[in-house]
Amino acid sequence: QQPVQSPQAVILREGEDAVINCSSSKALYSVHWYRQKHGEAPVFLMILLKGGEQKGHEKISASFNEKKQQSSLYLTASQLSYSGTYFCGTVPGAGSYQLTFGKGTKLSVIP
Amino acid sequence: DTAVSQTPKYLVTQMGNDKSIKCEQNLGHDTMYWYKQDSKKFLKIMFSYNNKELIINETVPNRFSPKSPDKAHLNLHINSLELGDSAVYFCASSLSGRAQYFGAGTRLSVL
Repeated sequence: QQPVQSPQAVILREGEDAVINCSSSKALYSVHWYRQKHGEAPVFLMILLKGGEQKGHEKISASFNEKKQQSSLYLTASQLSYSGTYFCGTVPGAGSYQLTFGKGTKLSVIP
Repeated sequence: DTAVSQTPKYLVTQMGNDKSIKCEQNLGHDTMYWYKQDSKKFLKIMFSYNNKELIINETVPNRFSPKSPDKAHLNLHINSLELGDSAVYFCASSLSGRAQYFGAGTRLSVL
């Protein structure tokens, strides 16, 4: 079951904040976040496991609410380099290697 | 050193031809994947091997056949290419079900 990401696209000015949401209709074991710049490969950002932990990566952090089957990616004080398409990927159970990606959120940061 | 390398980077071919894409990783990972990314940027898992054993085999035409000669290599052979096979194919690897590291992609154009 493909997770649903929102918004589909967002435009920010440098220094602004953004939140990207990822929700699933099924129980989740973990959520992955990746960023893909135009013409390049997806790059791993972080994994969140059951337990609602929040992780950080520079000024990018994420949370995972397993009860709501939702994850959110927080980008603070955005930089031009943050531009790209952000994908969440969900894993249904421990020991599963199957990562199902959402359709992506296109983030554009402008000066 | 490139962690996950794919060859070729570009592949232009006629309908009906057979082609192969090769992937190698030097990260010491035990799991490798093939993804297809279509023109709408949707990333879809096709196959996955863990320690040379096929563990994910999504619904793809049987014209697509993966082969993993060892843990560090995963190849994709495509028979009788069709127009709809045009896409970017990404190889990825991970340690068990953890973070996935992607190759640069192979852009396949079927004419």
